Amino acid sequence: DQQVKQNSPSLSVQEGRISILNCDYTNSMFDYFLWYKKYPAEGPTFLISISSIKDKNEDGRFTVFLNKSAKHLSLHIVPSQPGDSAVYFCAARGVDGSGNTGKLIFGQGTTLQVKP
Amino acid sequence: DGGITQSPKYLFRKEGQNVTLSCEQNLNHDAMYWYRQDPGQGLRLIYYSQIVNDFQKGDIAEGYSVSREKKESFPLTVTSAQKNPTAFYLCASSSASLAKNIQYFGAGTRLSVL
Repeated sequence: DQQVKQNSPSLSVQEGRISILNCDYTNSMFDYFLWYKKYPAEGPTFLISISSIKDKNEDGRFTVFLNKSAKHLSLHIVPSQPGDSAVYFCAARGVDGSGNTGKLIFGQGTTLQVKP
Repeated sequence: DGGITQSPKYLFRKEGQNVTLSCEQNLNHDAMYWYRQDPGQGLRLIYYSQIVNDFQKGDIAEGYSVSREKKESFPLTVTSAQKNPTAFYLCASSSASLAKNIQYFGAGTRLSVL
């Protein structure tokens, strides 16, 4: 049961344009979402997060949007740069009947290629 | 400077052999995690520990074992019972604060079977 899904395995954009990475989730109890960026043979690095009480969070070139009714979040990168080429993972904070489980549930990742 | 150190970077396992992957953190984090990444897949949780001397199974714990004797250290043993151990293994840690669950990752260990 894939609770967090990234349906696009890859995305290619031109330098300077906007990159939009998408993520869908199934559990309406999720209350905190994160995006990580990963280069080959390295560990993921935290990029940006959003709480379910917000619908937008911005940090420089990176903006995350949350649509709770659609159970959908997206990461916008503008303008895109060649150094942004990496795998991007979305993650949701796990919850159960007792509340926060302390675990993160990751999507499969989307490989972004930004062409010069 | 603070961070998470995983060693070795590359590891080879022979048939029937147990191997141990090291993970050390100096971030003073209470919680530590082990994930496995396979090509084209997300990160799958193997084991996690929210406090010293306590740990819980994740989604794919079979064939693995862990210990948490010190706050800074969370070694993972890949036992001979794990029939498909070839993967990229990632260790992470986070603060015990429930306000956020930002996990910080090490650089990973790539395990291959000889």
